[in-house]
Amino acid sequence: EIQMTQSPPSLPASVGDTVTITCQASRDIDNYLNWFQQKPGEAPKFLIYDASNLETGVPSRFSGSGSGTDFNFTISSLQPEDFATYYCLQYDSAPFTFGPGTKVDFK
Amino acid sequence: VQLVESGGGVVQAGRSLRLSCAASGFNLRVYAMNWVRQAQGKGLEWVAVTSFDGNKEYYAASVKGRFTISRDHSRNSLLLQMNSLRPDDTAIYYCATSRGGGAATTPLVTWGRGTLVTVSS
Repeated sequence: EIQMTQSPPSLPASVGDTVTITCQASRDIDNYLNWFQQKPGEAPKFLIYDASNLETGVPSRFSGSGSGTDFNFTISSLQPEDFATYYCLQYDSAPFTFGPGTKVDFK
Repeated sequence: VQLVESGGGVVQAGRSLRLSCAASGFNLRVYAMNWVRQAQGKGLEWVAVTSFDGNKEYYAASVKGRFTISRDHSRNSLLLQMNSLRPDDTAIYYCATSRGGGAATTPLVTWGRGTLVTVSS
């Protein structure tokens, strides 16, 4: 099973900040990585696929990069609606595995 | 495109429950389908996937041998049969489509709103 580590677990930030979350896979997953946003009481929202491809309709302030074992997710100019928990997911091989999540909250 | 889960509820440990995920606006037959769960206050845990044709199924170690993923083509639905339930299976269960039909290397894209399963000891 591929293990996913994600950091930081908590990320205090302010509106307008640029924040970066990292995910690391325990072995090479090529670029088979999703990023999701989840707000309390809601289902996860799909943001990025194949590590760097933005889903249609997702604001361009969200971006992803990386391949192999190391991945980054960046929100440029944080907006009030961006305060949420973010998860990475590897879908290179089953069992698929999520990172433990990063909560972006108010500084 | 919409997914609606149902079948959750309160069940005693050791008993069974079957979840359903009804799709509207698209044909489930074309896509791989997944179940993902989330315990209260915890992170997301992937549970199972079935390829578009049902020929490949994979499970998380925590549910393998107890849960079975399948499709009901007549109802354009995804199912999750959960047997020998344990208190640590208590979670919101989400279904999610993959973008493609294969059981792997295709991202999870569309999610339902989830159904709550509570297993009492």
